[in-house]
Amino acid sequence: SYVLTQPPSVSVAPGKTARITCGGNNIGSKSVHWYQQKPGQAPVLVIYYDSDRPSGIPERFSGSNSGNTATLTISRVEAGDEADYYCQVWDSSTVVFGGGTKLTVL
Amino acid sequence: EVQLVESGGGLVQPGGSLRLSCAASGFTFSSYSMNWVRQAPGKGLEWVSYISSSSSTIYYADSVKGRFTISRDNAKNSLYLQMNSLRAEDTAVYYCARVYTIGHYFDYWGQGTLVTVSS
Repeated sequence: SYVLTQPPSVSVAPGKTARITCGGNNIGSKSVHWYQQKPGQAPVLVIYYDSDRPSGIPERFSGSNSGNTATLTISRVEAGDEADYYCQVWDSSTVVFGGGTKLTVL
Repeated sequence: EVQLVESGGGLVQPGGSLRLSCAASGFTFSSYSMNWVRQAPGKGLEWVSYISSSSSTIYYADSVKGRFTISRDNAKNSLYLQMNSLRAEDTAVYYCARVYTIGHYFDYWGQGTLVTVSS
């Protein structure tokens, strides 16, 4: 089965750039979607099809995908960005989520 | 406004059964595929099951195959998950989530319903 690997945690100071990676075998050939989940809340889509942003998501959120790594980049990080982030792909007839990355804003 | 509201969670003994429901509103339910995704306490997201708009295509995660059954009633704008032979490891918040079709993203999620399997 397909596996997505994310770092358990990423820490960043306010105003800096956070990069959250999602590794998978030839993930660049798949479409990657990213979700943000704050404590006690449902996940929210922040990036779809590798780099597209839903309406209402700040331009500070961007994504890329190539080779074996997809990356969610959050520029000018704010305290409100502190959350868990999950990458997601479809692998044949199943949905695969990464293990999640806890973003801490210092 | 798109809304997905789950219900039916609760405490159930190991080996027991439970039926979850997801009431949809604010969009043409019959045009969208739906999923169940769960999250064990303190853990990450785990996909459970997918059903196409017409119920013609259904997929399950290996962890629930043979025990859970997904279904929908487009006339009632409702999605269901029948869970049988429940185990402690099925304890989780269960979310319903909308997806246009296979390969697409989950654009709307419900707030979830908690299922606790314990004696």
